[in-house]
Amino acid sequence: IAGITQAPTSQILAAGRRMTLRCTQDMRHNAMYWYRQDLGLGLRLIHYSNTAGTTGKGEVPDGYSVSRANTDDFPLTLASAVPSQTSVYFCASSDSGGSGELFFGEGSRLTVL
Amino acid sequence: RKEVEQDPGPFNVPEGATVAFNCTYSNSASQSFFWYRQDCRKEPKLLMSVYSSGNEDGRFTAQLNRASQYISLLIRDSKLSDSATYLCVVNEATGGFKTIFGAGTRLFVKA
Repeated sequence: IAGITQAPTSQILAAGRRMTLRCTQDMRHNAMYWYRQDLGLGLRLIHYSNTAGTTGKGEVPDGYSVSRANTDDFPLTLASAVPSQTSVYFCASSDSGGSGELFFGEGSRLTVL
Repeated sequence: RKEVEQDPGPFNVPEGATVAFNCTYSNSASQSFFWYRQDCRKEPKLLMSVYSSGNEDGRFTAQLNRASQYISLLIRDSKLSDSATYLCVVNEATGGFKTIFGAGTRLFVKA
């Protein structure tokens, strides 16, 4: 069982470019999340989805968008990347609406120049 | 004040030592608590949940003090493989659940 798969694992991107980080899970979890992790700040929630067809804003949603067309996929899009979006991005899922264990993907390291 | 606060460390301890981390949280209505472990350049993984009565898993013991709003993690007989960052995680019930991560405490266990 793969769990959660993220792609790409690493990307260098010019400012102003559009970028989509992919996330797929095979655990049939209803809830999915996107976090960014920056040194000294811990994980911060960007967007979440409690179930297919619904999404919500997290703590730091500006500059990011998500979609949840089905249970398995939860892509994160940066419409016009800026250097402050340089970070490590983690996708996660949970089968209990956020009250229980989060399962994380391996992360996507994004550098915006 | 941050919602979840941890001492960033690093804690440098010899093999075999006992080490303890604390984490404080600001919302008294927080409902569930966890410790996650994150290895360098890897994803966080659940280490253990923290129950009101305290819980133990091998060399690891987690405790919750609701009155003082902190949780703790005790590691006995430290191993080199325990070297990692330990994340304190708190769930607040606010309509749905809001999961808040501490910034983590770094532990280095040396031979």
